[in-house]
Amino acid sequence: EAGVTQFPSHSVIEKGQTVTLRCDPISGHDNLYWYRRVMGKEIKFLLHFVKESKQDESGMPNNRFLAERTGGTYSTLKVQPAELEDSGVYFCASSQEEGTKLFFGSGTQLSVL
Amino acid sequence: GQSLEQPSEVTAVEGAIVQMNCTYQTSGFYGLSWYQQHDGGAPTFLSYNALDGLEETGRFSSFLSRSDSYGYLLLQELQMKDSASYFCAVEGSNTGKLIFGQGTTLQVKP
Repeated sequence: EAGVTQFPSHSVIEKGQTVTLRCDPISGHDNLYWYRRVMGKEIKFLLHFVKESKQDESGMPNNRFLAERTGGTYSTLKVQPAELEDSGVYFCASSQEEGTKLFFGSGTQLSVL
Repeated sequence: GQSLEQPSEVTAVEGAIVQMNCTYQTSGFYGLSWYQQHDGGAPTFLSYNALDGLEETGRFSSFLSRSDSYGYLLLQELQMKDSASYFCAVEGSNTGKLIFGQGTTLQVKP
């Protein structure tokens, strides 16, 4: 069974540019989460999808971040325009049911210069 | 606010036992999870406690005391491959949303 996959694994962009991160959850997992870890700090929740609906987006930093999950399969997280403080590792995770263990992807390392 | 406290680093010798602590302060509590992350890899689920007491899975055990808002992860018969970061995470609601600690970096020496 394929795990959670994220693309790209690394992205280096300049301040002001746009970047789109992609996450493919485990097939059949309705719940999809985005998390972010800024260097040296804790992994922080960004948002939660149940199928194609945003269940909780309380962790989204600001309106420069846009997440979508059209069709309830893969998800994208777009940052536009990127700022220096957006640098970090963006993790995606999925689960079959709410409240069960999460399966994480390896993350996308985003560097904004 | 909501926070979890973990020691930043722990060093232990191969074959030994190590305990990594986690204290939490959250508005809701459904359970405490532990995740392992090797450098550049995906955080991987290790253990989960919803009730007080000890959960054992092979060399790994996790303990929870809800009255003390405290838990720990115990690793026995340490191996070099156990060198990694270990995160505790509180499930503050029943939606699967996790609140993570900053993680403990475990270094296992020969």
